[in-house]
Amino acid sequence: AQSVTQLDSQVPVFEEAPVELRCNYSSSVSVYLFWYVQYPNQGLQLLLKYLSGSTLVKGINGFEAEFNKSQTSFHLRKPSVHISDTAEYFCAVSGSGNTGKLIFGQGTTLQVKP
Amino acid sequence: GAVVSQHPSWVICKSGTSVKIECRSLDFQATTMFWYRQFPKQSLMLMATSNEGSKATYEQGVEKDKFLINHASLTLSTLTVTSAHPEDSSFYICSARASGRETQYFGPGTRLLVL
Repeated sequence: AQSVTQLDSQVPVFEEAPVELRCNYSSSVSVYLFWYVQYPNQGLQLLLKYLSGSTLVKGINGFEAEFNKSQTSFHLRKPSVHISDTAEYFCAVSGSGNTGKLIFGQGTTLQVKP
Repeated sequence: GAVVSQHPSWVICKSGTSVKIECRSLDFQATTMFWYRQFPKQSLMLMATSNEGSKATYEQGVEKDKFLINHASLTLSTLTVTSAHPEDSSFYICSARASGRETQYFGPGTRLLVL
């Protein structure tokens, strides 16, 4: 079975400061990892994904994440946040060879303050 | 690319009526579509997985007779909430995935309110 834990339910940060949203997973098989962003009353938008290859993945809006197999982590980072980054962020995992089902973390609310 | 639409974006209905929600992949063929439900301030809960031309696979605890899913073409899946009750009020989100691909692309969601 697979599971995802997002360690912080809320992360307040000032504008232009760096931010890291933490995500840990557990799985007995090789995984694919995703970060999605959800703005209020909207669906999910893909920020970035790790399928294979380089463990440092760059996504949209200046976000990046690093896959760390030994620590089973996939933390999301941005060096300088904007007010517009305020949203809910979800980490998700799917296992290779399965039906493609995504297992989501509980979500982290990023609150960017002026 | 990889755009998924949902219709309607919101719906209000009376208790006991049925509501149909459509999910379309606009620029790719979606062999697999997923239906999720999201309660306020919570994560997404997978309800069912549908593959084009076959019966949907429901997650444990999801009533298949209550939530009817049809995936009749490679670009369209529908979710029908039958005999809706107030406890069915929620935000329903679909996602679509192309054959051989790992990434799911999500629709904008449908907010259902049952009075």
